Amino acid sequence: ETGVTQTPRHLVMGMTNKKSLKCEQHLGHNAMYWYKQSAKKPLELMFVYSLEERVENNSVPSRFSPECPNSSHLFLHLHTLQPEDSALYLCASSTGVDQPQHFGDGTRLSIL
Amino acid sequence: GENVEQHPSTLSVQEGDSAVIKCTYSDSASNYFPWYKQELGKGPQLIIDIRSNVGEKKDQRIAVTLNKTAKHFSLHITETQPEDSAVYFCAASLGVNGQNFVFGPGTRLSVLP
Repeated sequence: ETGVTQTPRHLVMGMTNKKSLKCEQHLGHNAMYWYKQSAKKPLELMFVYSLEERVENNSVPSRFSPECPNSSHLFLHLHTLQPEDSALYLCASSTGVDQPQHFGDGTRLSIL
Repeated sequence: GENVEQHPSTLSVQEGDSAVIKCTYSDSASNYFPWYKQELGKGPQLIIDIRSNVGEKKDQRIAVTLNKTAKHFSLHITETQPEDSAVYFCAASLGVNGQNFVFGPGTRLSVLP
């Protein structure tokens, strides 16, 4: 039990589909993050939420849309994705934006 | 912005030997340096971290050293075991907001029995 749960674990979708990734943390943390992990590339920070407000958007394409309805849940809404968006998407949480981050096991996304 | 380099990219050691992974960072204002271990099919797991007000931290077989002047920090694993085999990531953070959390590219460690 990592404390950070991501669903689904695997997702295959076409470029015209709309899907959502879900993250839930059971650690009482106040900050949540979305990362993209591609082969042979460093972890890329996509979005940061602190106290349910988005702190920063790292110029991520608009086909990725985050939502943080409360401090325990984080979503990543996907639409009209491209093949290069195939990757492992990781969610993390922390007690504050300058504190250690705890990761979920990710959603493996494949775009056909 | 911050840039983190990590070496080596792959490392093979015999069981029982020590392993050392080194990272350098570019922003002298960075003040928090965690290390993560990622096993196949899992997310990264924090194994040790250090803040800029200390030079070394140890937790059983794992230690991290920090040289602020040279802007580099290292992970040391002693008495390696097969279960230490994984990908290890370093990171550097300004500690201001999550925006500044920058990861290195990772080191694949293989511990040979």
